[in-house]
Amino acid sequence: QQQLQESGPGLVKPSETLSLTCSVSGDSISSSRYCWGWIRQPPGKGLEWIGNIYYLGNTYYNAALKSRVTISVDTSRNQFSLRLTSVTAADTAVYYCARQIGYSGSSGASDMWGQGTMVLVSS
Amino acid sequence: SYELTQPPSVSVSPGQTASISCSGEKLENKYVCWYQQRPGHSPVLVIHQDTKRPSGIPERFSGSSSGNAATLTISGTQAMDEAEYYCQAWDRSTVVFGGGTKLTVL
Repeated sequence: QQQLQESGPGLVKPSETLSLTCSVSGDSISSSRYCWGWIRQPPGKGLEWIGNIYYLGNTYYNAALKSRVTISVDTSRNQFSLRLTSVTAADTAVYYCARQIGYSGSSGASDMWGQGTMVLVSS
Repeated sequence: SYELTQPPSVSVSPGQTASISCSGEKLENKYVCWYQQRPGHSPVLVIHQDTKRPSGIPERFSGSSSGNAATLTISGTQAMDEAEYYCQAWDRSTVVFGGGTKLTVL
């Protein structure tokens, strides 16, 4: 049974960089069947997609965040990561990593999610 | 930017059928999926590719799509189905989520 687990600091200062890692267990992140992504949810609000990455490195990003976001994959550690620069209070949210089935751009859907990690942006 | 519109709330009596809509421009040309999120929990995929139910999702969950709207239907709604439901679609190379619908089982 595949599992995803987010890790990283729960508190980030304004203007600094948020860095999170998602560890994938139970299957190889290099499987061509899947894409890997990040989604966030501000407190009391809805879901916001951040971006996706395939194991070969091709990425898809939310246009609203694209200038600040980098998603990367480390196949040797079976992990993928999120970097979000120049954070503000508006970036405070629960951050989820997820596995996507189907095809990015058409049928892609996240069928497995991590438990989520709360990140507070505050000085 | 592309938008998906959902009603903020839907109420249903136990055992009855709940329908949650999701509308968007030219939605008939896109695949829609649906997530269930109970308070304090991660979202769970309940429908993908408009009508497909992942393994482990009860048969009472079904999806349909016609014209500019997609619908999640829960037949024989149970108390455990009370949750927030989100629709999702791709627009070009971007994932778009609906605003979410709070399903209350009265």
